[in-house]
Amino acid sequence: SYELTQPPSVSVSPGQTASISCSGDELGDQFTSWYQQKAGQSPVLVIYRDTWRPSGIPERFSGSTSGNTATLTISGTQTVDEADYYCQTLYSTTVIFGGGTKLTVL
Amino acid sequence: QLQLQESGPGLVKPSETLSLTCDVSGDSIRNRDYYWGWVRQPPGKGLVWVGTVYWSGTTYYNPTLVRRVTISVDTSRNQVSLRLRSVTAADTAVYYCARIYYYGLGSRLYFMDVWGKGTTVTVSS
Repeated sequence: SYELTQPPSVSVSPGQTASISCSGDELGDQFTSWYQQKAGQSPVLVIYRDTWRPSGIPERFSGSTSGNTATLTISGTQTVDEADYYCQTLYSTTVIFGGGTKLTVL
Repeated sequence: QLQLQESGPGLVKPSETLSLTCDVSGDSIRNRDYYWGWVRQPPGKGLVWVGTVYWSGTTYYNPTLVRRVTISVDTSRNQVSLRLRSVTAADTAVYYCARIYYYGLGSRLYFMDVWGKGTTVTVSS
C-alpha cells in the first residue's frame, strides 16, 4: 500500500526556520497538501498544490518539492506555529495522509 | 461563511452501526466545484481518510473500510452522512467532515480546504 513518511518530530527555536519533509514513492508525480493541527483543534490547510498558500495563511509558510519528497518550510517560526503537521496526497482515487510531524518551538 | 457541523451518537456498541451527519451551511452541497468527505483521527494518532462523495452520489472510499462504509448526501437538507457498519474499538476516533477541492476521476489535485470541528465517537459496550 502507498505510504507517506514524515519525521515524527522536529524542534526549532523561535525565529529560526523549520523544515518538515514528506516522502513517498511517486510523490513527485502527485500534488501534496499540508495541514496544521493545533492541540484540540481541527486541521487547517496551510499549503496545497505543492506550493500554493490559501488566503489567510501567513507568508512564512511555504511548500516545495524535489523528486519524491515534499517539504513544508516555516520561516521565522513563532511559538503559535507549534502543532502537528500532516502531508497529504492523492494516489489514484485513494487519499493518503502522512503519519504527522510534531513541531516543537522552544 | 462556510461552516460544517458534525453530529451523532458519542457512544456506539461493538458490532453496531455508527451513523454521523454533517450539516453544511454557507454553501450548497450541489456546488459543482467541490466534493465532501470524512476523515477520522483515533485518540493520540494521525489523520485517516474515510471517504469522499460528490453531490451526484459518486463515492470513493478508503480500501481498508470499503466493505463497511457508506457515505451519502442529502441535497434537500444540505447534509453529508456517514455510516460505518460492524464497528469495533478500533473505530473509536474523532470524525471530521470536510469540503474537498477535487476535479474528479483522473485529477491529481485534491485538498480539504474547510473542516468541521469534529465529533468524538467511542465504541464500547
